[in-house]
Amino acid sequence: NAGVTQTPKFQVLKTGQSMTLQCAQDMNHNSMYWYRQDPGMGLRLIYYSASEGTTDKGEVPNGYNVSRLNKREFSLRLESAAPSQTSVYFCASSGLRDRGIVYTEAFFGQGTRLTVV
Amino acid sequence: AQSVTQPDIHITVSEGASLELRCNYSYGATPYLFWYVQSPGQGLQLLLKYFSGDTLVQGIKGFEAEFKRSQSSFNLRKPSVHWSDAAEYFCAVGARGYSTLTFGKGTMLLVSP
Repeated sequence: NAGVTQTPKFQVLKTGQSMTLQCAQDMNHNSMYWYRQDPGMGLRLIYYSASEGTTDKGEVPNGYNVSRLNKREFSLRLESAAPSQTSVYFCASSGLRDRGIVYTEAFFGQGTRLTVV
Repeated sequence: AQSVTQPDIHITVSEGASLELRCNYSYGATPYLFWYVQSPGQGLQLLLKYFSGDTLVQGIKGFEAEFKRSQSSFNLRKPSVHWSDAAEYFCAVGARGYSTLTFGKGTMLLVSP
């Protein structure tokens, strides 16, 4: 049982390049999230998908796009990377439904450390 | 809108001493509350959670937290800190039927010998 798996773990991009961060979960969770973590800023929500087939903007969506490919997978795309997108990116999932209650505790991947030069 | 405040950016505690990390939240209804821990270079691990019921909740690694509705607080405690507890701790708030969590900015715990 792997939990939440993110790839790649490290990436260096040049300004203007594009890339896609991949995320997969095997816990049958309904909801998936992308956060970025910057020093002194905590975790900020970029985009989320409350259920398969839906996506919504979070606090800092500019410069990113997402795709909920199926229930397991949620990808984050940077179309034209900028130095301000240098950060650590975390994927998370949640939404275990038990007897009509949805538990919102989130489980996190190990992170992707992205540097844009 | 939900918000979480962790007033202490850094805290230094001697090994063996007790620990309390503060968390205050703002939310109109009954919140779901969480504490996560992040070791350097790692993802976030759930320490404990409060959904309803007993306001004193026990978590992993000997941590506990108490939900105080009147103070809008969910402080994390440990009776005796170990060097391996040095990490960053995040408080988070969510809500029933609402999938996203809002995180505080974190408190870095340093443990001195």
